[in-house]
Amino acid sequence: EPEVTQTPSHQVTQMGQEVILRCVPISNHLYFYWYRQILGQKVEFLVSFYNNEISEKSEIFDDQFSVERPDGSNFTLKIRSTKLEDSAMYFCASSDLGGTEAFFGQGTRLTVV
Amino acid sequence: GESVGLHLPTLSVQEGDNSIINCAYSNSASDYFIWYKQESGKGPQFIIDIRSNMDKRQGQRVTVLLNKTVKHLSLQIAATQPGDSAVYFCAENTGQAAGNKLTFGGGTRVLVKP
Repeated sequence: EPEVTQTPSHQVTQMGQEVILRCVPISNHLYFYWYRQILGQKVEFLVSFYNNEISEKSEIFDDQFSVERPDGSNFTLKIRSTKLEDSAMYFCASSDLGGTEAFFGQGTRLTVV
Repeated sequence: GESVGLHLPTLSVQEGDNSIINCAYSNSASDYFIWYKQESGKGPQFIIDIRSNMDKRQGQRVTVLLNKTVKHLSLQIAATQPGDSAVYFCAENTGQAAGNKLTFGGGTRVLVKP
């Protein structure tokens, strides 16, 4: 069964460092997303991406965040200068058409120290 | 079943009984809703979805009910099994652009007692 894969599963970084979280969405999907979940809290939308551009983003997704689809298979989330409050689980998701179910990856746990 | 922070509402259910998980959503314009299951350390797993032009949809052992009048969504799990133990989230599509922008509820923890 096709699935969304994310690497690494756990990333520890020092405050102020840049991190790149990687995702391989399901191959025939057209829409890609990043969500995050701070420990014990709700899953929160960060950004959606379609046709090589950002479709929608939340207020969390500020200038420190960027997304890229560098090739035909990968979808990345970059945080330029990490802060302690960026520590969370980051989930990548994809869907084949807008408004249909989004399939989530297993997540990357980001710990900023 | 809405909650904020660490204090998830918990539903304890005996194995074999039916479970009902409730969710209040916020946006009357939302047209698409999904229930997700999340096990510890894993990503949300799709269970069932429903569009706003329906009020009931059934899957395998699961039924979702939508009451748009009171902005209420429920998930019914028939013959609950130990593998159903997880946190369950409802989500509504609140996006303005193409694609999903899912707004998640706070979650309900389901504990299945053998």
